[in-house]
Amino acid sequence: SQQGEEDPQALSIQEGENATMNCSYKTSINNLQWYRQNSGRGLVHLILIRSNEREKHSGRLRVTLDTSKKSSSLLITASRAADTASYFCATVDVLEASGSRLTFGEGTQLTVNP
Amino acid sequence: EAQVTQNPRYLITVTGKKLTVTCSQNMNHEYMSWYRQDPGLGLRQIYYSMNVEVTDKGDVPEGYKVSRKEKRNFPLILESPSPNQTSLYFCASSKNRGSPYEQYFGPGTRLTVT
Repeated sequence: SQQGEEDPQALSIQEGENATMNCSYKTSINNLQWYRQNSGRGLVHLILIRSNEREKHSGRLRVTLDTSKKSSSLLITASRAADTASYFCATVDVLEASGSRLTFGEGTQLTVNP
Repeated sequence: EAQVTQNPRYLITVTGKKLTVTCSQNMNHEYMSWYRQDPGLGLRQIYYSMNVEVTDKGDVPEGYKVSRKEKRNFPLILESPSPNQTSLYFCASSKNRGSPYEQYFGPGTRLTVT
C-alpha cells in the first residue's frame, strides 16, 4: 500500500510563481523526505524533515510537517523552468527497526512554463 | 565523483531468460536497495541490504533475488523474467547507522520482458 500520497498529481504553473505540493501518510513516521525526479532519470534527494521538526528550509524549498494531520507540504518559491520534474515524498515508519526503509508516494508532476 | 551506477541502462529480453542488473556505489555505504517504478504505483521496494551478507525482502520481492557479497555491489537477479516484471528499476544506497539518511539513486534500468 502507498504510505505517502501526493496531491495534486499534476501541477502546471508559470515561471516565477510558487508551487505547493502536499503529501499525506497513514502511519507514525520517523522522518519524511522529498525527492525530485527528472524524466527518465534517478531520484535526487531534496530535503529531510524529522518527526519532531515542523518546518525546514533549503534554498528556494520550504517543507512543513504536521504530524497531527499526518501531512507535509513542499513549497518551491520563484519557480523556474528547470524545476519541471516529478516530486515524491517518502516516509520512514517509526516502527521500522532499521529506520532505513523508505515508502514512496506516486509523485506530483510539476510543469513550470517559461 | 560519488555515484551509484547501474548496468545495463536498457534491456529487452524474453520470458524465462535469466538476467542480472548490476548496481555499484563508490561511497562506502552500508545500505543498498532496489526499487521498481511503475505508472500509477510509484516506487516500490524490492529488496534491501543493511550490510554485506545481510539482505531482506521489501514490498514486492516475488520473482527477484539479490546478493551482497561485497559492500559496493548489490546485483538484482531475475531467474525467470516474466512480462509483469517490465518496469523501470532503480538501485539506491545510503549510510546506515540506525538512523535514516538520504538515499542516492542510480540512473535507472528500463527492462522490457516480452
